[in-house]
Amino acid sequence: DIQMTQSPSSLSASVGDRVTITCRASQTISTYLNWYQQKPGKAPKLLIYAASSLQSGVPSRFSGSGSGTDFTLTIRSLQPEDFATYYCQQTYSTPLGHTFGQGTKLEIK
Amino acid sequence: QVTLKESGPVLVKPTETLTLTCTVSGFSLSNARMGVSWIRQPPGKALEWLAHIFSNDGKSFSTSLKSRLTVSKGTSKSQVVLTMANMDPVDTATYYCARISGVTGEIDYWGQGTLVTVSS
Repeated sequence: DIQMTQSPSSLSASVGDRVTITCRASQTISTYLNWYQQKPGKAPKLLIYAASSLQSGVPSRFSGSGSGTDFTLTIRSLQPEDFATYYCQQTYSTPLGHTFGQGTKLEIK
Repeated sequence: QVTLKESGPVLVKPTETLTLTCTVSGFSLSNARMGVSWIRQPPGKALEWLAHIFSNDGKSFSTSLKSRLTVSKGTSKSQVVLTMANMDPVDTATYYCARISGVTGEIDYWGQGTLVTVSS
């Protein structure tokens, strides 16, 4: 299996801050990396696919970067609705499965 | 409009087999590069990918659960069925089905999820 490790596990920030969440893969996954946002009681929502492509309808304050094994999700100018849990997911090898990171909970400071 | 909806029991007993059905609309399971994933989330914990099936009937399973899982397309062209054998209380979770779309395999639509509790 390809293991995905996110850091930090939790993060406190204020409205207007810029935050960065990191995801590391246990082997190279090119740019087969997606980011999701999940709010309590809701299904996750796709934010970024293929490491840096913004999903339609997602605000431009969200951005993704990286390739190989190291990836980042950046939220520029946090808004109140951005406080949620964020997950990365690799989709590099369909036969090996599409594993998720353990999540990063973004909380209001 | 693309929708997915999970259905199945809300309560199963330990050692029983769980069968969940995902009913989709707004797209065809026969479309090229289209697939359906199953993902679960224990209360308060992270997402865990379980399995997926693609339009060409290609399937993959979580290594740790492979021996307990099956996934198939249902008799209806718009259904995908997941079975998980030998259920245990640690399998209590919200189970989601979701659409895999695109060349890079991202999930663009999710079902609402169904909470399955394993208890005697």
